[in-house]
Amino acid sequence: QVQLQESGPRLVKPSETLSLTCSVSGVSVSSGSFFWSWIRQPPGKGLEWIGYVNNNGNVKYSPSLKSRVTMSVDTSKNQFSLTLRSVTAADTAVYYCARDPVMCPDGNCYVGYFDPWGQGTLVTVSS
Amino acid sequence: EIVLTQSPGTLSLSPGQRGTLSCRASHDISSNYLAWYQQKPGQPPRLLIYGASIRATGIPDRFSGSGSATDFILIIDRPEPEDSAVYSCQQYGGSPWTFGKGTRVEI
Repeated sequence: QVQLQESGPRLVKPSETLSLTCSVSGVSVSSGSFFWSWIRQPPGKGLEWIGYVNNNGNVKYSPSLKSRVTMSVDTSKNQFSLTLRSVTAADTAVYYCARDPVMCPDGNCYVGYFDPWGQGTLVTVSS
Repeated sequence: EIVLTQSPGTLSLSPGQRGTLSCRASHDISSNYLAWYQQKPGQPPRLLIYGASIRATGIPDRFSGSGSATDFILIIDRPEPEDSAVYSCQQYGGSPWTFGKGTRVEI
């Protein structure tokens, strides 16, 4: 059974850096069959995709966050991570990690939907 | 960026009554790369449908998806009380991937 679990500080001060790790069990992050994403959800609001990383360390970020985000993968620990710099109150949210299956139905491969998700962790930005 | 608009905002259904949820995109979604998720309070989203109409593993067949281009729907046929949740659509046909704001379903 594939499981993902987010970990990291729950409280971050404004202008500082948010760092989260997603620990994966039941599947290897080294697998070329999956990408690994971060998604967030501000309290009472909708979901926002932050970006993904794959087993080779290739990344893609949402343009709205690209200047502040870094993602990486640690195959030795079967984890992947998110760093978000210069945070403000607007970055307060539940942060989820999720697996993106790589689909190649006709020889052309794509990713983009999320299954499964971690339980999520609420990160509050406040002094 | 593709904006997804979901309607209605809230949908009240009786058990056994069919429910139809709409997701409209601001631009055509290539290859029908659209997914639907169910989210209950305090829980992460759960994948229901991908590719607009393909049920994810373990999803009951009372959930079905259809549509193309800019108009997509999720049907909940003969809903059960445990189907009370927020349902969100998400497109992955254009970068960045985006979500709709969700439809709250009350059974």
